[in-house]
Amino acid sequence: SAVISQKPSRDICQRGTSLTIQCQVDSQVTMMFWYRQQPGQSLTLIATANQGSEATYESGFVIDKFPISRPNLTFSTLTVSNMSPEDSSIYLCSVEGQGRSPLHFGNGTRLTVT
Amino acid sequence: AQSVTQPDIHITVSEGASLELRCNYSYGATPYLFWYVQSPGQGLQLLLKYFSGDTLVQGIKGFEAEFKRSQSSFNLRKPSVHWSDAAEYFCAVGAHLSGTYKYIFGTGTRLKVLA
Repeated sequence: SAVISQKPSRDICQRGTSLTIQCQVDSQVTMMFWYRQQPGQSLTLIATANQGSEATYESGFVIDKFPISRPNLTFSTLTVSNMSPEDSSIYLCSVEGQGRSPLHFGNGTRLTVT
Repeated sequence: AQSVTQPDIHITVSEGASLELRCNYSYGATPYLFWYVQSPGQGLQLLLKYFSGDTLVQGIKGFEAEFKRSQSSFNLRKPSVHWSDAAEYFCAVGAHLSGTYKYIFGTGTRLKVLA
């Protein structure tokens, strides 16, 4: 299975600032996704990172707040913009290989906004 | 609406005891089914998956799960729990929704293991 490196692993940020999270995969993958896991909660899909085109956002998530880049088949970034304490969560990058293989996850970025 | 239900938020078992974590899904067709485990401060690790075929699937770390179509269930089992199994467990469904393929996660079951 793919090895997924996510950086940073954790950060503490001031409200009003932005943080960019990087996701690097050791092989080319078809699909990359970004999830949010709020404290004590399950995973919520933020968006699908599309290579070479704009990301596809789920209901309740917008590009201005969570801009996503995917310049190639092994790398993506998620930016959390204009942060507030409500953005304190774990953000997870995940990938799916060919033919509907299971999702594989990075170790996540634990974000605390003060 | 499509959903994944894990009715037990917390489960506590003694080390060496058997374990069963429940998962029910709501979806018109048979979806792809998964169990993941998340240890504190970690991402999610795939335990096992069901796509088709034999309804009893074996996974890593001694876990197995059984797909029961009539009950729309995919319960996770382990015959003898180890202290290192303490973690959060998520059931997930992969299915076509609104024209796209998506994964839906249950709310998770936190397992505590008593020595």
